[in-house]
Amino acid sequence: QSVLTQPPSVSAAPGQKVTISCSGSSSNIGNNYVSWYQQLPGTAPKLLIYENNKRPSGIPDRFSGSKSGTSATLGITGLQTGDEADYYCGTWDSSLSAEVFGTGTKVTVL
Amino acid sequence: EVQLVESGGGLVKPGGSLRLSCAASGFTFSSYSMNWVRQAPGKGLEWVSSISSSSSYIYYADSVKGRFTISRDNAKNSLYLQMNSLRAEDTAVYYCARDRGFSRVAPWGQGTLVTVSS
Repeated sequence: QSVLTQPPSVSAAPGQKVTISCSGSSSNIGNNYVSWYQQLPGTAPKLLIYENNKRPSGIPDRFSGSKSGTSATLGITGLQTGDEADYYCGTWDSSLSAEVFGTGTKVTVL
Repeated sequence: EVQLVESGGGLVKPGGSLRLSCAASGFTFSSYSMNWVRQAPGKGLEWVSSISSSSSYIYYADSVKGRFTISRDNAKNSLYLQMNSLRAEDTAVYYCARDRGFSRVAPWGQGTLVTVSS
């Protein structure tokens, strides 16, 4: 089982905002950068956020990331039907010497 | 364009072996660490292994340690995963992904399906 905990699902109407939490510990989130990935149905994951709050080129500013202590948060504003996907947080765990991913959160646009 | 293309997946019996390959193009392969990440059907992402640019540093998930071996050939722009003593729980789509440091993993290949079943 994953060392990073995310809510199984979140949902909101088009145009609204959702936030996804990622809870870890001092050996992972607390002392390392966090990334977020989007996995659309039937496709490979894609990097959305890196180094806690930076967006790769091409990722709209509707997506944002933050980190506080041993938790991180992904925010999506102006929700669109195309945002329906699974979202994963990821970071390095210094105690495990392993990359770790969150349990994943399914975003549904109502 | 940066591209990663996995191959080598398929159906294998428990206890069998399989070697996955990942062909990289569009970037200086020898400058980057690389990862293998897997996803069991209907499940989340699970990191499997990573290898540094010169193969000096190699890491494995506890679930595959002693059974899987990651390697690379920088002259051929290729990443490999030798999987031995395969188990049913190794059934998954295996993704090859470039590591840009500080958990910045991008891009990912399209994946190759490994099915372990008798």
